[in-house]
Amino acid sequence: DTAVSQTPKYLVTQMGNDKSIKCEQNLGHDTMYWYKQDSKKFLKIMFSYNNKELIINETVPNRFSPKSPDKAHLNLHINSLELGDSAVYFCASSQDSVDQPQHFGDGTRLSIL
Amino acid sequence: GQQLNQSPQSMFIQEGEDVSMNCTSSSIFNTWLWYKQDPGEGPVLLIALYKAGELTSNGRLTAQFGITRKDSFLNISASIPSDVGIYFCAGQKENRDDKIIFGKGTRLHILP
Repeated sequence: DTAVSQTPKYLVTQMGNDKSIKCEQNLGHDTMYWYKQDSKKFLKIMFSYNNKELIINETVPNRFSPKSPDKAHLNLHINSLELGDSAVYFCASSQDSVDQPQHFGDGTRLSIL
Repeated sequence: GQQLNQSPQSMFIQEGEDVSMNCTSSSIFNTWLWYKQDPGEGPVLLIALYKAGELTSNGRLTAQFGITRKDSFLNISASIPSDVGIYFCAGQKENRDDKIIFGKGTRLHILP
């Protein structure tokens, strides 16, 4: 009965590989997000989708491509992984807009070798 | 880009002490949120504030939306060991489409 669930929890891979992270929410929320948390714990939004439509796209390299097949899912695909991509990636969701409290998943810890 | 100034960066306190932390911005915010993050987990919402001057409590936690709309405060009374973690403020500016911005966090440590 987890509200926002992400898989995998840990991802260790080599530079240059392509990987995907999946996120699902069972809260019935319309808006979903991806955040990146760096080693200093700074949280920065990457993308947000409202009802499958992209509404926020921060200055993120185009190697990162979000995909929302339906409003309960927001996946993140990363091409040509680089060392600087190592971080914890959090998925979150909110009721219907950016200013609503966001519920976070437990994060995906991505380590690039 | 726009950042929130959150202070202190870290705190070392004795169990039972009260804790205060704050967040300031040079811009006006419409929404202030306070989150707590435990190790290995995602941030969990503690308190949401939507109105200037609003004072809201959640158990031993109390947060206030500053009257100037440029700051917010979080107080924890009678701290206990499970209060250890990182506390983040987050705010959203006036435009409803603006993204939420997070502060850099206050790391709370409780001394044995």
